[in-house]
Amino acid sequence: KAGVTQTPRYLIKTRGQQVTLSCSPISGHRSVSWYQQTPGQGLQFLFEYFSETQRNKGNFPGRFSGRQFSNSRSEMNVSTLELGDSALYLCASSLVSGGTGGFYGYTFGSGTRLTVV
Amino acid sequence: AQTVTQSQPEMSVQEAETVTLSCTYDTSESDYYLFWYKQPPSRQMILVIRQEAYKQQNATENRFSVNFQKAAKSFSLKISDSQLGDAAMYFCAYYGGSQGNLIFGKGTKLSVKP
Repeated sequence: KAGVTQTPRYLIKTRGQQVTLSCSPISGHRSVSWYQQTPGQGLQFLFEYFSETQRNKGNFPGRFSGRQFSNSRSEMNVSTLELGDSALYLCASSLVSGGTGGFYGYTFGSGTRLTVV
Repeated sequence: AQTVTQSQPEMSVQEAETVTLSCTYDTSESDYYLFWYKQPPSRQMILVIRQEAYKQQNATENRFSVNFQKAAKSFSLKISDSQLGDAAMYFCAYYGGSQGNLIFGKGTKLSVKP
């Protein structure tokens, strides 16, 4: 069973550019979440999608956006990149979203390392 | 708002020995889940163990076990018979239905000495 796949693994962008990161969840998982990981702030929640709908959103500016497709694949986009956006972006998928039916945790991908110069 | 605190930025253990990583959390919810994730240098977060708040029994997964104290809001991870492959960052995480996302602690870097 394939895990969560994130592409690309590494990315270098210039300030002001935009970037799109991709995530393919485990087959059958309908919930996809995105997290930003930095040495200073740790792991911070960006947003969660379930059945193509954004269910939850973290405290990030509007430059950060995402979407989910009918096959549950998800993309996140960051526009007008800033140096502070340099981070490891982790995607995670799970079978269910929310408390009903239990929650068995997320399966994470290996992340995309974004460097903004 | 819910918070998760890991008070040990770094820990070290001798191979084959036992080590305990601490985690405390704050919440007003009664129904939630707690997790320990491991992140090796490969960057992928790996689920180590899961605990449901309404279950009194502490979760166990092979050499990994937790001490869940709901009243004290404490959730420590015990690693027995430590192996070199256990060296990694360990994150404690909280999941409650009201916010629908994982809240992570800052992590504990575990080193294993041969």
